[in-house]
Amino acid sequence: QQQVKQSPQSLIVQKGGISIINCAYENTAFDYFPWYQQFPGKGPALLIAIRPDVSEKKEGRFTISFNKSAKQFSLHIMDSQPGDSATYFCAASGSNYKLTFGKGTLLTVNP
Amino acid sequence: DTAVSQTPKYLVTQMGNDKSIKCEQNLGHDTMYWYKQDSKKFLKIMFSYNNKELIINETVPNRFSPKSPDKAHLNLHINSLELGDSAVYFCASSFSKPGGYTFGSGTRLTVV
Repeated sequence: QQQVKQSPQSLIVQKGGISIINCAYENTAFDYFPWYQQFPGKGPALLIAIRPDVSEKKEGRFTISFNKSAKQFSLHIMDSQPGDSATYFCAASGSNYKLTFGKGTLLTVNP
Repeated sequence: DTAVSQTPKYLVTQMGNDKSIKCEQNLGHDTMYWYKQDSKKFLKIMFSYNNKELIINETVPNRFSPKSPDKAHLNLHINSLELGDSAVYFCASSFSKPGGYTFGSGTRLTVV
C-alpha cells in the first residue's frame, strides 16, 4: 500500500518556467509534509516543509500548497533554473516521526 | 564538518559475504534511521533507533541487523549478501519531534 503518491514521474521544464509536482496521501494522521531534493550521488536534502494548519508556505522560489480536505500537497518551483535539475521527493510523517516518501520526480530544466 | 557521515561510500562484494556499513552524526539528534534506495530511486525505511532503542523495524530480512552503540552512531550489518541487496543505503538522523531528517551521502552496495 503506497501511502504517499507522487506525480509526475518525470518533468521537463524550460528555464524560467514553473515546475509543479503533486502528492496525495491517505493517512489522515500525517501532520508533517516535507519536500526533499536529491542530486546524483548525494543524499536527499530537506528543501521546504509544511504542517496542515497552513495552506501555503513559500521560501524563495519554492512554494508548498496544501489542501487538507483533498489530502493533497504540491511543490511549485518558480523561475526554474538548470541548477534545479534533480530528483524531488515528497514525504509525510505522523506521531512516530517515520517519513514515508513518494516515489520521486526527476526534474530536468533545459537552458 | 560532515553532519551525517557514512562509511564506506562504495562497497562491492560477492554473494554470500557479510558486510557492515557505519554511520555517525554530530548534530546532537536522538533518532537515527536506515533507508534503502532501490534502482528506481524509491526510498524505503528499514530501521529507526531512538536513544539506542529500536523503534521502527520494517519488513526487512533477518540478514539485516542494525546496532546503535550510542545515539550518535548507527551501524548496519548484512549477512549472506544476495544480488537483490544491491542498492544505495542511506543513514539519516533527526530529533524525535516533527521535523526534517538530515541524510548522509549514502553507501552504494553492489553484490556480484
